[in-house]
Amino acid sequence: NAGVTQTPKFQVLKTGQSMTLQCAQDMNHNSMYWYRQDPGMGLRLIYYSASEGTTDKGEVPNGYNVSRLNKREFSLRLESAAPSQTSVYFCASRNNEKLFFGSGTQLSVL
Amino acid sequence: GIQVEQSPPDLILQEGANSTLRCNFSDSVNNLQWFHQNPWGQLINLFYIPSGTKQNGRLSATTVATERYSLLYISSSQTTDSGVYFCAPALGNTPLVFGKGTRLSVIA
Repeated sequence: NAGVTQTPKFQVLKTGQSMTLQCAQDMNHNSMYWYRQDPGMGLRLIYYSASEGTTDKGEVPNGYNVSRLNKREFSLRLESAAPSQTSVYFCASRNNEKLFFGSGTQLSVL
Repeated sequence: GIQVEQSPPDLILQEGANSTLRCNFSDSVNNLQWFHQNPWGQLINLFYIPSGTKQNGRLSATTVATERYSLLYISSSQTTDSGVYFCAPALGNTPLVFGKGTRLSVIA
């Protein structure tokens, strides 16, 4: 039982490049989330998917898009990366109670 | 949305000491969780505690939802308890809202 799996673990991009962060969970959870973590800011919600087929904006959605591919997978796309998107990104999934996190992706945009 | 305030922001303890971390929130909630982020960045769910008290080893948590606060107790602290502790409340199935955390350093 792997829980929540994120790839890649590290990524360096140049300004303007695009990339997709992948996330998959094997706990049969309905809800999935993308958070970003910046120093001193805690975790801020980018987008979430309450169930397969639905997505909603969180607190900081600008510059990102998401796709809930199926119940297991929820991807985050940066279409044109900017230095302000340098951060640690966490995917998470939740049953009715507990939230479980992936191990994170450290992204640097130069 | 829900506002979350955690205190203290930073805490340094000698190994073996006890501590209490506090989380205040602005609105009614029926979901509250505590997380530990270890020095390697991994986020671990410690408690799902919408109300009442739970204990897990040296850690326990209490939430008084009617008074809009939750407490995390760490007893006989160990160096492995170091890291950042986050409180995250929510109402219903809305996403959890995270506080800025309490950074704990336990020194031997």
